[in-house]
Amino acid sequence: QKEVEQDPGPLSVPEGAIVSLNCTYSNSAFQYFMWYRQYSRKGPELLMYTYSSGNKEDGRFTAQVDKSSKYISLFIRDSQPSDSATYLCAMKNWQLTFGSGTQLTVLP
Amino acid sequence: EAQVTQNPRYLITVTGKKLTVTCSQNMNHEYMSWYRQDPGLGLRQIYYSMNVEVTDKGDVPEGYKVSRKEKRNFPLILESPSPNQTSLYFCASSPRDPVEQYFGPGTRLTVT
Repeated sequence: QKEVEQDPGPLSVPEGAIVSLNCTYSNSAFQYFMWYRQYSRKGPELLMYTYSSGNKEDGRFTAQVDKSSKYISLFIRDSQPSDSATYLCAMKNWQLTFGSGTQLTVLP
Repeated sequence: EAQVTQNPRYLITVTGKKLTVTCSQNMNHEYMSWYRQDPGLGLRQIYYSMNVEVTDKGDVPEGYKVSRKEKRNFPLILESPSPNQTSLYFCASSPRDPVEQYFGPGTRLTVT
């Protein structure tokens, strides 16, 4: 079993939809939880990160961590075609572990 | 412009021919790292460096070497490349630890 599991998709939604991206993990020692966005043929870019449990909001993006369930989510409100990318979750205790990514397409 | 640069962006080589992929950052970051990205496996860390002359193994270090002689540069060396090292490689840097990393554009390596 992988330490971090992420549904690879692909996920297609219409423009304006609310998107929910999720990761589960097995290592309860993870303290930092990150979401990266990776456009095709580009390097990943950090969207946001949270420390421990709770929610964090940044514009149309909300990151949620539920440590009791070992489950993290990224919500995208009012999704746009420019949000089409692969989304990677990542988690850190003393080392950083990435999920394999979910490919998202937002259709105009 | 704050950035991480990698060279070359694309490389095709043959088994056993030593190669170096360069990485440079202009943000005065202390932490630098190398990852490889393979389909279905996500990003896996090869080596990282907490500061000049301080390097350590990541999850998949076999077949790779690194050095950190200057703060801005962190080259990845493949002494004897093999086909299983065909992958997409990313260099990244961050101010102190791997939480807020800035990634380079990637180097696509093919070993035949």
